[in-house]
Amino acid sequence: GAVVSQHPSWVICKSGTSVKIECRSLDFQATTMFWYRQFPKQSLMLMATSNEGSKATYEQGVEKDKFLINHASLTLSTLTVTSAHPEDSSFYICSARVRSSGVSFTDTQYFGPGTRLTVL
Amino acid sequence: QKEVEQNSGPLSVPEGAIASLNCTYSDRGSQSFFWYRQYSGKSPELIMFIYSNGDKEDGRFTAQLNKASQYVSLLIRDSQPSDSATYLCAVRGVYSSASKIIFGSGTRLSIRP
Repeated sequence: GAVVSQHPSWVICKSGTSVKIECRSLDFQATTMFWYRQFPKQSLMLMATSNEGSKATYEQGVEKDKFLINHASLTLSTLTVTSAHPEDSSFYICSARVRSSGVSFTDTQYFGPGTRLTVL
Repeated sequence: QKEVEQNSGPLSVPEGAIASLNCTYSDRGSQSFFWYRQYSGKSPELIMFIYSNGDKEDGRFTAQLNKASQYVSLLIRDSQPSDSATYLCAVRGVYSSASKIIFGSGTRLSIRP
């Protein structure tokens, strides 16, 4: 399967600071990447869809000014949590769409290993 | 009604038996169906995808799709303790924007030795 990496794998920061998380597709070009958040024992929650070279599309209820997404190249998307607070502590996971050689509904989606954010 | 529904479990299955995980979806026009496995504290891992009605087998895993009943299932044969995880059903619908996949909330599977 396709390989997606994330960096850092974990981060601890003080309240009020900003944290940047990188998501890279290592062996393919990802025109579309997705950012998810998952709280302990809860389901995945899609935060936003990121398309290379354009503005991200945020899900309802997700503050776009707080969670800045940049998808500047076909292999890199970044999520910046601005002015992080303890309630932003969560497991952030990116995912990349892998284009198939056929029609688009056969595209698959692979996940990065996730970044565990703890805000003190 | 949730777009993708799964029984949250836990589903407890003895080692060596067949584990059967079920999922229903609401968008009748959905075309792509995926099963992911997520171990505690880890990110989801794609294990199967299916597009056509019927069965698709890959090793100990079999995905079954019935579009008329809007039902997709995952069978795990010869269950092992390492299969204990949360299994996420995911569906790409016709009307989902940007081809995003809709995830169910997952079924927790426990294989008892």
